[in-house]
Amino acid sequence: NAGVTQTPKFQVLKTGQSMTLQCAQDMNHEYMSWYRQDPGMGLRLIHYSVGAGITDQGEVPNGYNVSRSTTEDFPLRLLSAAPSQTSVYFCASSAAGNTEAFFGQGTRLTVV
Amino acid sequence: RKEVEQDPGPFNVPEGATVAFNCTYSNSASQSFFWYRQDCRKEPKLLMSVYSSGNEDGRFTAQLNRASQYISLLIRDSKLSDSATYLCVVRSRNNNAGNMLTFGGGTRLMVKP
Repeated sequence: NAGVTQTPKFQVLKTGQSMTLQCAQDMNHEYMSWYRQDPGMGLRLIHYSVGAGITDQGEVPNGYNVSRSTTEDFPLRLLSAAPSQTSVYFCASSAAGNTEAFFGQGTRLTVV
Repeated sequence: RKEVEQDPGPFNVPEGATVAFNCTYSNSASQSFFWYRQDCRKEPKLLMSVYSSGNEDGRFTAQLNRASQYISLLIRDSKLSDSATYLCVVRSRNNNAGNMLTFGGGTRLMVKP
């Protein structure tokens, strides 16, 4: 049982480049979300989805796009990378209701 | 004011000590509560859910006080392996008929020999 799979684990981008962080879950969870974690800031919600075809903005959505064409996949796209987007990114999924969230292993992104 | 607040620590304690972490949340409509553990450079993992009646799992005890909007985690007989960051997490309903997790900044625990 793979759970939540994130790729890549590490990435270095130049300012202005675009890229997509992949996230897939095999637990048939309705809810999926993306967080970024910065020192002293905790995890902050970027975008989330409550089901296929439905997405919404979280606390820090600027500079990121998401789509949810299937239940399993929830990619995060950086449109034009900036040094301020250097962070660790986590994807999470959970079933509907008050249940725990499962996290991917994270993507360490550096923008130079 | 942050929605979920924790003392960042670090808490430095000797092996065998008892240590308690506190967390306050601002959204009175919050529905469920959790403690997650995060090891250095790893993803957060659920430690335990927090129930209104309080709950215990081995050396770990969690308490919830809805009136004061306060959550606690007690660790007894600390082990070296308990060294980690402990995240207080609150789930609240949002406008999209879903629900969202809000994380505290985490409390770092270091257990020393």
